[in-house]
Amino acid sequence: KAGVTQTPRYLIKTRGQQVTLSCSPISGHRSVSWYQQTPGQGLQFLFEYFSETQRNKGNFPGRFSGRQFSNSRSEMNVSTLELGDSALYLCASSLSIGPNVLTFGAGSRLTVL
Amino acid sequence: AQSVTQPDIHITVSEGASLELRCNYSYGATPYLFWYVQSPGQGLQLLLKYFSGDTLVQGIKGFEAEFKRSQSSFNLRKPSVHWSDAAEYFCAVGATNAGKSTFGDGTTLTVKP
Repeated sequence: KAGVTQTPRYLIKTRGQQVTLSCSPISGHRSVSWYQQTPGQGLQFLFEYFSETQRNKGNFPGRFSGRQFSNSRSEMNVSTLELGDSALYLCASSLSIGPNVLTFGAGSRLTVL
Repeated sequence: AQSVTQPDIHITVSEGASLELRCNYSYGATPYLFWYVQSPGQGLQLLLKYFSGDTLVQGIKGFEAEFKRSQSSFNLRKPSVHWSDAAEYFCAVGATNAGKSTFGDGTTLTVKP
């Protein structure tokens, strides 16, 4: 059974650009969550999608957005990149919303220059 | 609001020694509790979880954790540490929507030969 796949694994952008990150959940998992991980702030919840609907949103500016497709794959987008957006972005999937176990992908490492 | 505190930022133990990583949580209702492990450059892997029932839970790689409601704690233990256990460990509390888990800041474990 394939795990959670995130692409790209590494990317470098410059300030002001935008970036799109992709996440393919485990087959059968319908909930996808995104987290930002930085040395200073730790793991911070970005948003959660279930059945193509955003169910929860963390405390991030509107530059951070996401969506989920009918096949449960998800993308997140960050527009007008800032230096502080450099981070490891982790996607996690679970069977559904509720107290389920999160299965994480390996992450997308974004560096903003 | 839920919160998680991992008091120890960094712990060093000798190989073969016992290990206990501390976790305290704050949550108004019965929490769903998790321990995850992260190796450098990787995503998070679930070690164990507590949803209800027996307060001593067993996980993978020989880890166990004990839920103590009176102390709001969920400490992780291992009787004999292996060099491969060196990693960063995260305690997390999940609410009704598991995707919106709140993570502690993590404890980095170093294992001395």
